[in-house]
Amino acid sequence: EAGVAQSPRYKIIEKRQSVAFWCNPISGHATLYWYQQILGQGPKLLIQFQNNGVVDDSQLPKDRFSAERLKGVDSTLKIQPAKLEDSAVYLCASSPDYGGYEQYFGPGTRLTVT
Amino acid sequence: DAKTTQPTSMDCAEGRAANLPCNHSTISGNEYVYWYRQIHSQGPQYIIHGLKNNETNEMASLIITEDRKSSTLILPHATLRDTAVYYCIVSDNYGQNFVFGPGTRLSVLP
Repeated sequence: EAGVAQSPRYKIIEKRQSVAFWCNPISGHATLYWYQQILGQGPKLLIQFQNNGVVDDSQLPKDRFSAERLKGVDSTLKIQPAKLEDSAVYLCASSPDYGGYEQYFGPGTRLTVT
Repeated sequence: DAKTTQPTSMDCAEGRAANLPCNHSTISGNEYVYWYRQIHSQGPQYIIHGLKNNETNEMASLIITEDRKSSTLILPHATLRDTAVYYCIVSDNYGQNFVFGPGTRLSVLP
């Protein structure tokens, strides 16, 4: 089966610009996650969707980050305006059930903010 | 914060068993132990999970102590491709508090 797809793979922007990332989960997976991974650290959950509803967004910086999952399938994560500290890899994952195990991760988008 | 502690790094000779420890002394009765790994420049990959009993699959074995306060992931015959960061995570079956710590960087040496 096809894995989790993400685009773009790399993005370089200047601070205060906006950027958007796209994720297509594995077909049929109800739960979708966005993580932020800063160099040298483990991934940090930003937001979790169950179908098209938000389950957990407690660690999403809502003043600048937003995410949506239309029709319970694809998802986009947006940053506006970007800060230098947003430089990281943004990972999307999906899982077939409402549960933490066996999340399938995409390759990630590496964002550099200059 | 992560509910687990792991060594920062470990080395293992190719072909030998790699034993990666994890401490989770505050684990609750309904929480599972999950293991993921992340090879350089890739997303994390699920390896195995367990509640109380030892578990084995085609990738690894998971040994959980009787008091459930610690566990060990065993890669029975490590290869160079097993070089990665290994994450031990404690969470309930609904993914609550699913927190990745810094993990253990395993280097498999030829």
